[in-house]
Amino acid sequence: EPEVTQTPSHQVTQMGQEVILRCVPISNHLYFYWYRQILGQKVEFLVSFYNNEISEKSEIFDDQFSVERPDGSNFTLKIRSTKLEDSAMYFCASREGPSSYNEQFFGPGTRLTVL
Amino acid sequence: KQEVTQIPAALSVPEGENLVLNCSFTDSAIYNLQWFRQDPGKGLTSLLLIQSSQREQTSGRLNASLDKSSGRSTLYIAASQPGDSATYLCAVNSQAGNQFYFGTGTSLTVIP
Repeated sequence: EPEVTQTPSHQVTQMGQEVILRCVPISNHLYFYWYRQILGQKVEFLVSFYNNEISEKSEIFDDQFSVERPDGSNFTLKIRSTKLEDSAMYFCASREGPSSYNEQFFGPGTRLTVL
Repeated sequence: KQEVTQIPAALSVPEGENLVLNCSFTDSAIYNLQWFRQDPGKGLTSLLLIQSSQREQTSGRLNASLDKSSGRSTLYIAASQPGDSATYLCAVNSQAGNQFYFGTGTSLTVIP
């Protein structure tokens, strides 16, 4: 069964460094998302991406963050100058279309630890 | 902004019991609602999706209902098993193609 994959599973970085989290959405999906979950808290929306551009972003998704679909398969989240509070689980999700019967499928997540 | 609440926050039941998890949302103009399961330190596994025009969906021992007008959804788990132990998340989609708003989750423990 097709699935969303994410790499790496765990990333440790020093404060101030840049990280890139990678996702491979399900191949025929057109809508892509990044969410994050700080330990013990709700899953929070960061950004949605469709037709090679951001369609919606949350207040969390400030200039520190950027997303890209560099080729036909990868979808990346870049975090510049990481802060301690960026430590969280980051989930990528994809969806085939905008219809109400289209589920969002989530990847296994990347645990980001900022030291 | 859509707010999603789940009660109870934690639930512990003996194996074999039927149980109900609750989800409420503040804006009834939803597009669809999806229930997920999350195991500790893991990703989100989709369980059921209910479209706004539907009243319920079933998958095996799981049944999810939706009452849009009152802003509520329930997830019914029949004949619970220890393997059902996980956190259950409710997520609401307010617009086509757009973000999910997640609830706080219910942590379920099924005792053998």
